[in-house]
Amino acid sequence: DTGVSQNPRHKITKRGQNVTFRCDPISEHNRLYWYRQTLGQGPEFLTYFQNEAQLEKSRLLSDRFSAERPKGSFSTLEIQRTEQGDSAMYLCASGPTPNNSPLHFGNGTRLTVT
Amino acid sequence: GEDVEQSLFLSVREGDSSVINCTYTDSSSTYLYWYKQEPGAGLQLLTYIFSNMDMKQDQRLTVLLNKKDKHLSLRIADTQTGDSAIYFCAEGLYNQGGKLIFGQGTELSVKP
Repeated sequence: DTGVSQNPRHKITKRGQNVTFRCDPISEHNRLYWYRQTLGQGPEFLTYFQNEAQLEKSRLLSDRFSAERPKGSFSTLEIQRTEQGDSAMYLCASGPTPNNSPLHFGNGTRLTVT
Repeated sequence: GEDVEQSLFLSVREGDSSVINCTYTDSSSTYLYWYKQEPGAGLQLLTYIFSNMDMKQDQRLTVLLNKKDKHLSLRIADTQTGDSAIYFCAEGLYNQGGKLIFGQGTELSVKP
């Protein structure tokens, strides 16, 4: 068990550019979540996958954000036309069934939009 | 809607006990979690408790749950400087895919 892996660890981009982050969950976990965390705040839920199906998206996930989990394993989160307000830590978590099993988090990708 | 509240700061001396408090609103939560976050890192699961329990002890950690008041606490015995971090309380929503709703976090500062 190597834990949840996220890449890259840090990303600096200019406003208006597109960025993509990757999350590799713990291998046997079929639930995968994306969260966003800004300075001084707790993580906020963005979206959730059960296997390859995206089952819920938060209102925080504007149409510039898209997440995929094509084969039910790794997931990507893409932000198009980045804005300075997108600067945050993006956290990925995974968990096995049932739904009350604890979630395990990666170390996050810190995005800075200049 | 769901909401989780925590006090923002706690300062203790090394060797003392720390108690971090949390309140939550969703009455359907079946499980509650404590996570620890060190600077620049992700969240580390510390412990969790199911809503049909009142207390759970795990080494230096004791979790108390008062379902009537929707109040959760985390006690750290013999607090060490390495315990300095931000502690997040989270409620798990079983009927919403198991997603977690987090509080703002309590920054614990341990002074030698």
